[in-house]
Amino acid sequence: RKEVEQDPGPFNVPEGATVAFNCTYSNSASQSFFWYRQDCRKEPKLLMSVYSSGNEDGRFTAQLNRASQYISLLIRDSKLSDSATYLCAPNGNFNKFYFGSGTKLNVKP
Amino acid sequence: GAGVSQSPRYKVAKRGQDVALRCDPISGHVSLFWYQQALGQGPEFLTYFQNEAQLDKSGLPSDRFFAERPEGSVSTLKIQRTQQEDSAVYLCASSPGTGDVQSGELFFGEGSRLTVL
Repeated sequence: RKEVEQDPGPFNVPEGATVAFNCTYSNSASQSFFWYRQDCRKEPKLLMSVYSSGNEDGRFTAQLNRASQYISLLIRDSKLSDSATYLCAPNGNFNKFYFGSGTKLNVKP
Repeated sequence: GAGVSQSPRYKVAKRGQDVALRCDPISGHVSLFWYQQALGQGPEFLTYFQNEAQLDKSGLPSDRFFAERPEGSVSTLKIQRTQQEDSAVYLCASSPGTGDVQSGELFFGEGSRLTVL
């Protein structure tokens, strides 16, 4: 089983829509969780961190379910500029960040 | 610049050639990571340095891969006798964390895109 699993998508949504992605992880010892955003042919950049049950930052909400070992990312009022690949990264043993394969989001006009 | 710098940005190698990829992390950053990203995949962990110490190299796919950070700053990832399956983007990331990267902010370079013919 892979350390981190994500639905690759693509999720094709209209502007203004609400969209949610899930990410499951296998390492129950993970204490901190991160969502990174990666634009096409660019490097990943940190979007949000989750240390407890959840975190909210403007249109973005990340939630953690430790019992089921998944984290989710909710994007409200989608913008064209939100089109990207979203990578989930639990902090594993001794700072070994495992990344999921990413979920691709396409926001259409 | 103030960010993580990688060179070369693009490298084409013939199968069997050796390549060396360089990473200049953000000044003062203690932690340095190398990742391999194949097309359509997420970054795969290769190795981790804390200062000059290579604390984890479990992700290196074979003994053809070697990484060093001799002075705790610049790092080099070397791939010997390259194979076609080595074709990927190699990402370097640094973090100011002193071994505890709970902040999660890995600052990535733009990557070195390796194509092995």
